Formats: sequence, structure tokens, C-alpha cells
Amino acid sequence: GQQVMQIPQYQHVQEGEDFTTYCNSSTTLSNIQWYKQRPGGHPVFLIQLVKSGEVKKQKRLTFQFGEAKKNSSLHITATQTTDVGTYFCAGGVGGSNYKLTFGKGTLLTVNP
Amino acid sequence: KAGVTQTPRYLIKTRGQQVTLSCSPISGHRSVSWYQQTPGQGLQFLFEYFSETQRNKGNFPGRFSGRQFSNSRSEMNVSTLELGDSALYLCASALSRGGTEAFFGQGTRLTVV
Repeated sequence: GQQVMQIPQYQHVQEGEDFTTYCNSSTTLSNIQWYKQRPGGHPVFLIQLVKSGEVKKQKRLTFQFGEAKKNSSLHITATQTTDVGTYFCAGGVGGSNYKLTFGKGTLLTVNP
Repeated sequence: KAGVTQTPRYLIKTRGQQVTLSCSPISGHRSVSWYQQTPGQGLQFLFEYFSETQRNKGNFPGRFSGRQFSNSRSEMNVSTLELGDSALYLCASALSRGGTEAFFGQGTRLTVV
């Protein structure tokens, strides 16, 4: 079945440093979504990418969808302590049988 | 607008028992998906319901089942509980199927002893 791999599993940075998490799918995706889960919280939707090569920005966050629609990345510029949490990618496949598969997430910790 | 509501928030059960978890989606949302979250495995898809029909199912044993009612509220049931079923069970609702934003509930923390 479809697999979504996410690396790294953990990342610890100093406040102000940049952070990137990568997501790779075993199959071509229809779309990719990104979620953030704060410690003790639930996943919260950040963004969805649909087009090949798409790049979207949300303030300090930059999301990319690969040309082959099999990989994606999330880059955070100048991390802040509020960025702490686990970032999940989720790859969507299928039309009438649409299924969303989550990666295992990257836990980001930020040292102030 | 109320968010996704899951009840109960916490549950302790004994091995061999069964449990039913409830999820009330956002008003107007017709798709409800269930996920199991554990520290080692991340978010694992259980099943999705849309218009009272199961549309997709993950790789879980038949002990895990669910249903959706006409008001889109959903329940999942786990029978013959095992220690390994201890996890956070998350429900997510969406307006429709196929690539729309999913809104997660706070989850039900199930502990099997």
C-alpha cells in the first residue's frame, strides 16, 4: 500500500535557526496536506498543495510540492518557540476511493 | 461554530472488554475519519465514513469497527481490547471527500490495562 515517509523524526534547533522537514511518498499523490500538532494537542491543518512544483508561503513557513508529486517539504525560517510541535505531512491518493496517508511526523523543539 | 467533539476524553478499560468512542463533526461536515495515534507509529488511518457509508478502511483487525448516523455523528467500537490498543484515537471531519481540509477533535485517550 501507499507509504509516506517523513524525515527527520526529531529536530532540535536554537531559536532563530531555520528548520526543514521532508516528506516522500511511494506513489504519485493527488495532493499533499501539512498539519501541526502542539504537545498535548490535536493536529491542525496548515495547508494543502495540489499542483506539481507548487510553492506556497505562510509568513515564515514555505511549503513545496515536488515536480513529480511524490515529495514535499516544509521550511521554517528563523524559528520561534511558538513553532514547537510535531509537523505531519499527509499524502492524498485516489478519486472516488480517496485516502489520506500520514507520515510519522517530525518533532521540532526550539531552544530559546 | 463548534469544532469536532469527541467523547469521552479519557477512558481506562481492561483487556477483553469492548469500548465505544463517539465523534460529533462540525455542523455541515459529512466526512468523518478515524485515526489511531501512538508514539511509535504516528497517525494511522482506521476508516472513513461519508453519508453513513464506510468509504475506506485502514489495515486494522476486524475488532475495530465504526458507523455513521444520519446526522453525520460517528462512533467507533473496539471489541476484545488488547494492551496494544492503548492510544489516542482521533476523529477528523471534513466538508466532503477527496482533499479538503480536515478538522481534528481533541481525541479520546484510551488506556487498556
